[in-house]
Amino acid sequence: QQQVKQSPQSLIVQKGGISIINCAYENTAFDYFPWYQQFPGKGPALLIAIRPDVSEKKEGRFTISFNKSAKQFSLHIMDSQPGDSATYFCAAIDYKLSFGAGTTVTVRA
Amino acid sequence: NAGVTQTPKFQVLKTGQSMTLQCAQDMNHNSMYWYRQDPGMGLRLIYYSASEGTTDKGEVPNGYNVSRLNKREFSLRLESAAPSQTSVYFCASSEAASGGYEQYFGPGTRLTVT
Repeated sequence: QQQVKQSPQSLIVQKGGISIINCAYENTAFDYFPWYQQFPGKGPALLIAIRPDVSEKKEGRFTISFNKSAKQFSLHIMDSQPGDSATYFCAAIDYKLSFGAGTTVTVRA
Repeated sequence: NAGVTQTPKFQVLKTGQSMTLQCAQDMNHNSMYWYRQDPGMGLRLIYYSASEGTTDKGEVPNGYNVSRLNKREFSLRLESAAPSQTSVYFCASSEAASGGYEQYFGPGTRLTVT
């Protein structure tokens, strides 16, 4: 049973559009919420992360929104580019990292 | 710095065969992890080692054993491979096991069990 539920499974967006990926959790012991980006044939790499006392964090075109009361968080990719085409995993940490199932993002030129 | 390295990159086994997946990190990290990645299931933790000399079960430990050989190396052994163990295996390391420390992943081992 996955502790972090992620949706959608896949999405297609036009170049310049916004990609939105949503995650939800139940375990209130989670205290750190990273997002990982994975390209085909590679291992995941940390993209951006947030602590639960912060409602939003932005790094370049990537923004995490965090709603502690709803136990939900999301990744927004602004001005999506073809190079953003990858699989994105949300995750949550208590003493170990629990991953969502992943979202495959395809950006059409 | 090579980061996290894994060998082999690809492996095909017959049911019942055994093998060891090797992992090494050169970042002086205390914690190391083994995950498996299956379509639609994300990455699931098999075993982890919070520090040298300790190992603990993760979410899906059945059919696997691990050895934390020293601070750099963490191996994963399949004693009697089964088709259900066909997967991509990732090793990762981090400075510590909790508190938001980034995990760094290796390139993965693609294992097929026939």
